[in-house]
Amino acid sequence: ILNVEQSPQSLHVQEGDSTNFTCSFPSSNFYALHWYRWETAKSPEALFVMTLNGDEKKKGRISATLNTKEGYSYLYIKGSQPEDSATYLCALNTGNQFYFGTGTSLTVIP
Amino acid sequence: DSGVTQTPKHLITATGQRVTLRCSPRSGDLSVYWYQQSLDQGLQFLIQYYNGEERAKGNILERFSAQQFPDLHSELNLSSLELGDSALYFCASSVGNGRAYEQYFGPGTRLTVT
Repeated sequence: ILNVEQSPQSLHVQEGDSTNFTCSFPSSNFYALHWYRWETAKSPEALFVMTLNGDEKKKGRISATLNTKEGYSYLYIKGSQPEDSATYLCALNTGNQFYFGTGTSLTVIP
Repeated sequence: DSGVTQTPKHLITATGQRVTLRCSPRSGDLSVYWYQQSLDQGLQFLIQYYNGEERAKGNILERFSAQQFPDLHSELNLSSLELGDSALYFCASSVGNGRAYEQYFGPGTRLTVT
């Protein structure tokens, strides 16, 4: 069993704050890394797929970076809004399996 | 709406029974993935098919099997059901088989085994 860790487990921020979370994984097993946004009672929604060391991807106010050598990825949200409240999940693709972290639950307080 | 459909939405059945979950991928997607989300284990990868062929296998029990048909829809068969198989089963699809493709998740099938 391969360990993908996400921190923090949960986060409460004020509207307008910027925030970031971490996904850590064994660098030797890296093939690709997926980030998802998962709202309660819905299904995971793809945010980014990251494949190369040093990758930086951006979608609106959300961006992500990747360091495959040290085995981590950061997800950043700039100017958090209440609609950003969700669980953010990362998944490691090893080439023949997918391993999910347990997610970071973000609550944005208006 | 991701464009991935799953049926049924809910399924209640008894231990020892067999059920089939169905997934239709987004138009044009060739890969289908199955995942299980149980209360105590988070999201677990079960199996992937690409254009009808099995491509990757996760922690799928021997009592479970899947296939992808020529029209690209996929079915996950669960047999000899146990209480612990109660979970939300997601299907996802992507355009290709390579590592850079995003996966689009369906709404899930909630299975309750009594």
